[in-house]
Amino acid sequence: KQEVTQIPAALSVPEGENLVLNCSFTDSAIYNLQWFRQDPGKGLTSLLLIQSSQREQTSGRLNASLDKSSGRSTLYIAASQPGDSATYLCAVYLEDMRFGAGTRLTVKP
Amino acid sequence: EAQVTQNPRYLITVTGKKLTVTCSQNMNHEYMSWYRQDPGLGLRQIYYSMNVEVTDKGDVPEGYKVSRKEKRNFPLILESPSPNQTSLYFCASRPRQGSFTEAFFGQGTRLTVV
Repeated sequence: KQEVTQIPAALSVPEGENLVLNCSFTDSAIYNLQWFRQDPGKGLTSLLLIQSSQREQTSGRLNASLDKSSGRSTLYIAASQPGDSATYLCAVYLEDMRFGAGTRLTVKP
Repeated sequence: EAQVTQNPRYLITVTGKKLTVTCSQNMNHEYMSWYRQDPGLGLRQIYYSMNVEVTDKGDVPEGYKVSRKEKRNFPLILESPSPNQTSLYFCASRPRQGSFTEAFFGQGTRLTVV
């Protein structure tokens, strides 16, 4: 059974810092991996989708990488801003989707 | 606009009173699923459906029912809600199981059972 782990569970950084969020998964036979953002009590906002044949995807200040062989993905956020404060979830696609528990990010002004 | 619509967005109910949360998608997707999200646990799959009249249990199906009479709709039914079903619920759809394309999620339903 696929297990998805996100480390750290919580992270607090000062504004302007570059940061990395980690996601690991146990079964490398995935179709896709997707990163989401979730504000408290709200829905999921898709950030980046990486297909299994890709190594990375970029959108603005966000860059996500995927290493299937090692079962790892990272989400890099450049020049963090207070508006980036949220919980970040990764999900791996197999026959169904498996989610990590998320990393709660706080960016302090 | 492609979307997954859940209703209601917020619901407070009492223990034992049957309720239904509706989910509808307009993308002709075959695969739909329900998740619940609890603090520190991420999203866990309750039920899924690979197509009309085909449903199966996910990781946490106890206390829930679903039906898939039409392709676009996938309601979640709580026959006798209990306080431990207080949670944030999400419906999702994909073109088909195992698809390489991304899933679409509803906005969520915040359920409180007192």
